[in-house]
Amino acid sequence: KAGVTQTPRYLIKTRGQQVTLSCSPISGHRSVSWYQQTPGQGLQFLFEYFSETQRNKGNFPGRFSGRQFSNSRSEMNVSTLELGDSALYLCASSLANSTVGTNEKLFFGSGTQLSVL
Amino acid sequence: AQKITQTQPGMFVQEKEAVTLDCTYDTSDPSYGLFWYKQPSSGEMIFLIYQGSYDQQNATEGRYSLNFQKARKSANLVISASQLGDSAMYFCAMREYQRPGNQFYFGTGTSLTVIP
Repeated sequence: KAGVTQTPRYLIKTRGQQVTLSCSPISGHRSVSWYQQTPGQGLQFLFEYFSETQRNKGNFPGRFSGRQFSNSRSEMNVSTLELGDSALYLCASSLANSTVGTNEKLFFGSGTQLSVL
Repeated sequence: AQKITQTQPGMFVQEKEAVTLDCTYDTSDPSYGLFWYKQPSSGEMIFLIYQGSYDQQNATEGRYSLNFQKARKSANLVISASQLGDSAMYFCAMREYQRPGNQFYFGTGTSLTVIP
């Protein structure tokens, strides 16, 4: 089974531009979540989509948005880029079953390294 | 308050020795899950081990075990017989199942270096 695929792997943008990141989850996974990772900050939750609906949202400004398509693929958009948006953006998918247990674990992609100059 | 606290930014261990990576958590939810992930330099997060709040026994997965002390709200990862390939960042995470949305909370990570 193919893993979570994120494209592109690297991106270099300048301040004020916008960027769109893509994530294809594992086949059969209906939940896709996005995380921002910066050195020393760990992973900060951005949002989660389930069956094309945003189910949960972290504490990020409205410049960060996302969507999920009917095939569960997801995109994340950041508008009006700032220097502080430079980070590794990780996408994760899961079965998102309602039962507690290992089925709830996240499967991550390799991430998109975004550099804002 | 931080949901997940990892107080060891960096750790060193000799090859073939055991190492413990600390993790404490904060929740009032009686139903939660604790996870450990490994992140090598390639960037992809790899699931290692899971412990449910109602599990009576500590979880084990090969060389990984989770020292779960519920009263102390700690979920330390123990890696036995360390290998050079264990050098990576390690993240502790928690999911609260009764909280709406039940997002994952991650710690800031511990960088482990295995010395030959």
